[in-house]
Amino acid sequence: GNSVTQMEGPVTLSEEAFLTINCTYTATGYPSLFWYVQYPGEGLQLLLKATKADDKGSNKGFEATYRKETTSFHLEKGSVQVSDSAVYFCALSADSWGKLQFGAGTQVVVTP
Amino acid sequence: DADVTQTPRNRITKTGKRIMLECSQTKGHDRMYWYRQDPGLGLRLIYYSFDVKDINKGEISDGYSVSRQAQAKFSLSLESAIPNQTALYFCATSDFTSGSPDTQYFGPGTRLTVL
Repeated sequence: GNSVTQMEGPVTLSEEAFLTINCTYTATGYPSLFWYVQYPGEGLQLLLKATKADDKGSNKGFEATYRKETTSFHLEKGSVQVSDSAVYFCALSADSWGKLQFGAGTQVVVTP
Repeated sequence: DADVTQTPRNRITKTGKRIMLECSQTKGHDRMYWYRQDPGLGLRLIYYSFDVKDINKGEISDGYSVSRQAQAKFSLSLESAIPNQTALYFCATSDFTSGSPDTQYFGPGTRLTVL
């Protein structure tokens, strides 16, 4: 079956540090890939997505590139802020029904 | 106003009680989903519905039932709550007719505690 594996947290960083969260997937066919973010006390929000190989999704300074050869979709941000403290979920959608398969989530804590 | 709302936001109940969690949306989306979130497990799909007449089981439907009362309303019921159903529950919607049918929009969640 389909699955998503992402690095365990918490990841603790200082403000302005570089952030990488690794995500790899297993899926049949050509899934769409997503990063969702969950701020404390809130629901999930779509951060970025990519629908085919070599696509780069970007939003709010975050980027992720769909790498089919390595089945990966790593999230990166060059300079994090305290406001980026949240839980980040990698997810895939591999069928026409649009169902999402989520990774376990990675908590990111950014300190001043 | 929020596009996807969930009630209640917090609920504490006892083992064996029947509980209903409600979700409403004003986005006009046809598809609705229920997930539960547990620490270290991410979100897992409980049920999903593609229109009022279409209900489908997800990955972990045992112990749960749903009702799609209208396009905008999708309720999740626990007929006889048990402690391992303690979790954070999310409702989500998506729009099949949009350019991004697999992009989901989430409600704020309901924190359920079963004692």
